[in-house]
Amino acid sequence: EIVLTQSPGTLSLSPGERATLSCRASQSVSSSYLAWYQQKPGQAPRLLIYGASSRATGIPDRFSGSGSGTDFTLTVSRLEPEDFAVYYCQQYGTSPLTFGGGTKVEIK
Amino acid sequence: QVQLVQSGAEVKKPGASVKVSCKASGYTFNNYGISWVRQAPGQGLEWMGWISGYNVNTNYAQRFQGRVTMTTDTSTSTAYMELRSLTSADTAVYYCARVPGAITANWFDPWGQGTLVTVSS
Repeated sequence: EIVLTQSPGTLSLSPGERATLSCRASQSVSSSYLAWYQQKPGQAPRLLIYGASSRATGIPDRFSGSGSGTDFTLTVSRLEPEDFAVYYCQQYGTSPLTFGGGTKVEIK
Repeated sequence: QVQLVQSGAEVKKPGASVKVSCKASGYTFNNYGISWVRQAPGQGLEWMGWISGYNVNTNYAQRFQGRVTMTTDTSTSTAYMELRSLTSADTAVYYCARVPGAITANWFDPWGQGTLVTVSS
């Protein structure tokens, strides 16, 4: 199975700062079938990005995804208070579908 | 609006089975699949499997093969996930999520609110 490794584990930033989250795959993710989700405490995950770089409906343009092959990045250009959460990457090109371990973005 | 509403929390004894439901609304059920994902307390997300909303096709994660059964009732736009031979390691929040198209290989959007399953003697 494809193992996804997210880094860093925790990112401590202030509102207004830029967040850069990394997701590295143990083997190439076919057709850039990679998604990013945001999860807040006590809530279900929410889709942010699919196809490595396509924003889901209703997602602000401060969220952007990039990358291909084995290296992917989620960038939040300017953190808003509601962006502090845990972020997961997921590959859906190869079964079993797998998730990364998550990056927590916390308020510094 | 598109919505997935799951059944309520469950408490089960080791060795028992649990069946979680996921009722869809706001879209044509047959045009999408449903995946099931679980999250143990304080842990990450784990994909369990997928079922087509169109036919009986399923794709289970290897580690759940033989212990999980996913079904749908198209007349009520409801998906079900049954997990058998429960142990304390199965204590988790179980989520259903809509998957575009008729294949496993797609993203999840939206997700149900989650169902907490607690396994305890």
